Amino acid sequence: DIQVTQSPSSLSASVGDRVTITCRASQSIRTYLNWYQQKPGKAPILLIHGASTLQSGVPSRFGGSGSGTDFTLTITNLQPEDFATYYCQHNYSPLMYIFGQGTKLEIK
Amino acid sequence: QVQLQESGPGLVKPSQTLSLTCTVSGGSMSTGYYYWSWIRQPAGKGLEWVGRIYTSGSANYNPSLKSRVSISMDTSKNQFSLKLNSVTAADTAMYFCARINSGTTSDYFDYWGQGILVTVSS
Repeated sequence: DIQVTQSPSSLSASVGDRVTITCRASQSIRTYLNWYQQKPGKAPILLIHGASTLQSGVPSRFGGSGSGTDFTLTITNLQPEDFATYYCQHNYSPLMYIFGQGTKLEIK
Repeated sequence: QVQLQESGPGLVKPSQTLSLTCTVSGGSMSTGYYYWSWIRQPAGKGLEWVGRIYTSGSANYNPSLKSRVSISMDTSKNQFSLKLNSVTAADTAMYFCARINSGTTSDYFDYWGQGILVTVSS
């Protein structure tokens, strides 16, 4: 299976900051990459699909980019409700869905 | 608005079978090109895909669980179910059901249940 590695595993930022989270695939997954946000005790929420398509209802401060092996999730103008754990996920491997290990975004 | 809700026992004894049901509301499971899936998450850890089922009844499973897992569906009740047999403490996790939307560039989980905590313990 093609693995995805997120970095960093955690980061601290302040309200109003711009942050970037990276997801690197062990081989090309074209744009078969999605991003989710998860808060403690809650189900994940889909933010971005197809590497860069913003899911309906998700604020425009969230953005995704990349293709092949390198992908980024960018959050501009961080809001208090954005502090959470973020996961990337791909399904390029046949009949398999792989999640990254997560990036915990904490308040500085 | 599609909603999913997990139900089932929160406590299962080792070596027994974990059985969960996901009830879908706000739309028929039989319409559209969607898969219906289970994902689990041990406390403090990441997400692991368990398996999926299509409206045809065809199912696929994570190879790491394939020998122990089965997913079925009852379209008349708008439900799908998970069975995981021979459970151990390692199967203790929050279990989520979710809908898979097959997009043009990826499959993604667009609707999720709130999750149900299942503990394996005697």
